[in-house]
Amino acid sequence: NAGVTQTPKFQVLKTGQSMTLQCAQDMNHEYMSWYRQDPGMGLRLIHYSVGAGITDQGEVPNGYNVSRSTTEDFPLRLLSAAPSQTSVYFCASSYSVGLANEQFFGPGTRLTVL
Amino acid sequence: SQELEQSPQSLIVQEGKNLTINCTSSKTLYGLYWYKQKYGEGLIFLMMLQKGGEEKSHEKITAKLDEKKQQSSLHITASQPSHAGIYLCGASIQGAQKLVFGQGTRLTINP
Repeated sequence: NAGVTQTPKFQVLKTGQSMTLQCAQDMNHEYMSWYRQDPGMGLRLIHYSVGAGITDQGEVPNGYNVSRSTTEDFPLRLLSAAPSQTSVYFCASSYSVGLANEQFFGPGTRLTVL
Repeated sequence: SQELEQSPQSLIVQEGKNLTINCTSSKTLYGLYWYKQKYGEGLIFLMMLQKGGEEKSHEKITAKLDEKKQQSSLHITASQPSHAGIYLCGASIQGAQKLVFGQGTRLTINP
């Protein structure tokens, strides 16, 4: 198993550009989520999904869109990048939330918006 | 404000000393997780606690979830340079279908 994979690893954008951060898992996990990590802020939940076709907002959803058309993939879209979105983004997955399930994290995508 | 508060935010200890990191919520915690992150890298799963009063240990790291399930502590005995990094607690609060994290504790071990 590859686990949770994220692409790209690094990305530089200009303000106003759009892009999609890719996240895929091959463990047949129902639950997937996106976090951003900023210095001194820990991990903040952006969006999450409890299964294909179901998504919901986390703590900091503004400026981001998600969709979950398959169990395996959970892309994060930035429609119009802003410097405030400069951060490290982590994708995670697990069998479910609130039960005895480890959250598996991807290696992260480091995004810089100029 | 974050639903999980970690303390301290940063910690510098001498190698060989013991230390404790706390994770507190005003609401009941379900599935409390501890992760470690090396600077600039991904997250490493340490432990998960579910039941009030539960305690787990791995090597020199012990984690506890209090009886009321609103606070967890992570204790490191005889710290080593390999323990340095950022420690993060995460939890599903009040059974909500989302996992949130504290702001992290940056641990530095001085030789």
